[in-house]
Amino acid sequence: GAVVSQHPSWVICKSGTSVKIECRSLDFQATTMFWYRQFPKQSLMLMATSNEGSKATYEQGVEKDKFLINHASLTLSTLTVTSAHPEDSSFYICSANLGRAASTDTQYFGPGTRLTVL
Amino acid sequence: AQSVAQPEDQVNVAEGNPLTVKCTYSVSGNPYLFWYVQYPNRGLQFLLKYITGDNLVKGSYGFEAEFNKSQTSFHLKKPSALVSDSALYFCAVRGTGGFKTIFGAGTRLFVKA
Repeated sequence: GAVVSQHPSWVICKSGTSVKIECRSLDFQATTMFWYRQFPKQSLMLMATSNEGSKATYEQGVEKDKFLINHASLTLSTLTVTSAHPEDSSFYICSANLGRAASTDTQYFGPGTRLTVL
Repeated sequence: AQSVAQPEDQVNVAEGNPLTVKCTYSVSGNPYLFWYVQYPNRGLQFLLKYITGDNLVKGSYGFEAEFNKSQTSFHLKKPSALVSDSALYFCAVRGTGGFKTIFGAGTRLFVKA
């Protein structure tokens, strides 16, 4: 149980285009999902907290107009990188809390999406 | 403010030997502590967590971690390392009442046959 999927697993796009990444909790409902960015050989940087039915909460320094997050249902959150540029190339990982969003909940992670912007 | 420190960028161990990956934390209130493992180009896999109770927590793949409140540490251990344990390990902390998780910088474990 507690499987989180991401689609696509990798994507290459041209500079200026937009890319949508999907994150799904396959066997549980997730009122809260998280989006992270990971640079090579570095830790995870929390970008935003995605709440079902409401606006996402962005971390300081993350452009909300560039990284659009939609949490339309209890099993799906999407991250859209708008007008992508080469500096947006990174490994994007989503996660979901198994539980009622309590601080003791375990986070389960998707396999990640490798974005390369040419 | 919450923080996590993993003082070693890399740990090298021979197969069959015990391994330890170190983690120290700083958080106000009671800490909730987690260990995750990441294989190349993959997401993170949950290993174990400490919420309350017994200071020694057992997790997946034979790993365990010991919570030490006085030293604010949560070191990951395994009695006998396997080559397949080679991966990137992350320690994470969450404070009471919140669910924002702070991750350490990661420690790369190399197990040599």
